[in-house]
Formats: sequence, structure tokens, C-alpha cells
Amino acid sequence: GENVEQHPSTLSVQEGDSAVIKCTYSDSASNYFPWYKQELGKRPQLIIDIRSNVGEKKDQRIAVTLNKTAKHFSLHITETQPEDSAVYFCAAKDSGAGSYQLTFGKGTKLSVIP
Amino acid sequence: DSGVTQTPKHLITATGQRVTLRCSPRSGDLSVYWYQQSLDQGLQFLIQYYNGEERAKGNILERFSAQQFPDLHSELNLSSLELGDSALYFCASSARGGQGRHNEQFFGPGTRLTVL
Repeated sequence: GENVEQHPSTLSVQEGDSAVIKCTYSDSASNYFPWYKQELGKRPQLIIDIRSNVGEKKDQRIAVTLNKTAKHFSLHITETQPEDSAVYFCAAKDSGAGSYQLTFGKGTKLSVIP
Repeated sequence: DSGVTQTPKHLITATGQRVTLRCSPRSGDLSVYWYQQSLDQGLQFLIQYYNGEERAKGNILERFSAQQFPDLHSELNLSSLELGDSALYFCASSARGGQGRHNEQFFGPGTRLTVL
């Protein structure tokens, strides 16, 4: 099955700086890569996703890049704000027949220091 | 609010007991997924149901079972509970679940289970 590695596990940045979180996956057939943000005590919420036929996607201050050859994808947050502080999870969709199983990374705790 | 509801919000029970967690998906969603999130751990996929049928199984213990009913709500049953089963259990739903398609998963608020 799919295996997703996520780095770093913790990340502290100054407000206004950029943050980058990286993930690698093992199954070359995976074709959908979402990123979820989870604030303390709350549910994970999708913030951006990318499909394997696209190399980059941007939504305001958030962007995701995908390198299918190297099997890695990254989340980029620019002009970070204190409200960006949360745990971020990357995931890859398992290519198993008939399944939408997502395999998640272990998460990155982002702290934005005012 | 994602539209996915879970009950109860909190559950405290003793080792050896059995509990049932309930999930109602978003209106119209056919797929339900269950995840376990332990302290300092990521989201561990347990099981997926699509339109009443089991579609995928992850790291789900034999003591755990789930089902999806005709009205599409789902229940996760946890039995012979151990201290290590204490965790946050999330349910998520998506519109479809068939081969070749992918859909955003919307998460519920979770049920926090504490086993004493």
C-alpha cells in the first residue's frame, strides 16, 4: 500500500515569512494529493489539493507543487499569519481498485510567531 | 460546518467495555470513512463504506467493526476496549467512492474516546 512521509514534524516561522512542508509518497500510481489543516481540537479541513496531471496549484497565499518523477509534493504558505498556526497533513490517494482511501503523513505543527 | 455530524462528542468508558460511535454523512454523500487519531499521531485510516458496502479496510483491529445503514449513516463499534484505544475518532464523507474518481473528504467534528 501507499506510504507517505512528511517533513518537518514541527516548524516555527516569524510572521510574514514563508513556510514550506514537504511530503514524499511511495505508490507511483497515486493521483490525488490533498492538504488538510487541523486547528487544535477541531476537524481537519481541506485547504488545497492537486491532481497528478498538474504540476502546481495556487490559492492566494497557499500553493502546492507536485513532482511525479521524484514522487514528492510540497505545501508553500507565503506571508504567514498567526492564524496559520495549526497542524498540516498531506495525503495521497491510494490507487487500489474502487477505493478512495487516503494515506496521511504524520503531520507538521506550524507555529507562526507574531 | 462540514455537514458531517458525529455523536457523541465525548465518551468516557472503562476497559473491557463496548461503545458505538455514530456518523451521519453530508446530504447526498455515499461514502463514509473512519479514522483514528491518537495523541501526537496522524490520521490512521480504519475503514471505508460506499452505499452500504465495505469498500476498503485499513489498520482496523478485529475488536472494531463498522457498518453503513440504508439511510447512509454509519456506526463504528469498538469492543473489549483497552487503554490504548483512547483517541479521537473522525468520520469523513465524500460524494462518490467508485473506481477512477476522487472526491474531497469532508470531516466530522470527531468523537473523543477516553478509556479508563
